[in-house]
Amino acid sequence: EAGVAQSPRYKIIEKRQSVAFWCNPISGHATLYWYQQILGQGPKLLIQFQNNGVVDDSQLPKDRFSAERLKGVDSTLKIQPAKLEDSAVYLCASSLAGDTEAFFGQGTRLTVV
Amino acid sequence: KNEVEQSPQNLTAQEGEFITINCSYSVGISALHWLQQHPGGGIVSLFMLSSGKKKHGRLIATINIQEKHSSLHITASHPRDSAVYICAVYANTGNQFYFGTGTSLTVIP
Repeated sequence: EAGVAQSPRYKIIEKRQSVAFWCNPISGHATLYWYQQILGQGPKLLIQFQNNGVVDDSQLPKDRFSAERLKGVDSTLKIQPAKLEDSAVYLCASSLAGDTEAFFGQGTRLTVV
Repeated sequence: KNEVEQSPQNLTAQEGEFITINCSYSVGISALHWLQQHPGGGIVSLFMLSSGKKKHGRLIATINIQEKHSSLHITASHPRDSAVYICAVYANTGNQFYFGTGTSLTVIP
């Protein structure tokens, strides 16, 4: 079974530039999560989708971050413009439903310089 | 205050030692996950628990719902077990995950 796919694996950008991350969840998984993990900390939920609807985006910095899950499958997370403090690993996870086992992608390591 | 607390934060063990990592949480949950994250790598889900105990190879996870506590045990630890172990709970109100800050384990040959 294919896992959660994320791309790119690594990205280095200058501050004020824009960046986009892509996630392809496991087939059939209705719930998709985006997390931000700053070095030395646990993951922080940015946004949770149930199919193509948003369940929770309370911690998403909406002035610069946006996410969409068109057709309830793939998802993209965008940062525009990036700040130095956005340097982190961005993790995508999916699950069949909210309380079932979650599967994580390899993450995208973003460095903002 | 964090909804999920892990201990210890850092742990160094000799190869072969029995290791225990603890997780306490303060919210009502429908499931608890133990996750493993290697340096530079993604996260792998080790266990999902809602009650009792699960075993996979040298790894054992237990949960006590009444006490809101879970433990991850590693028997006969090996250097390849070196990683960050993260406890995450899926809260049954609000429908979201809460994560611990992780336990960084180093197993020395």
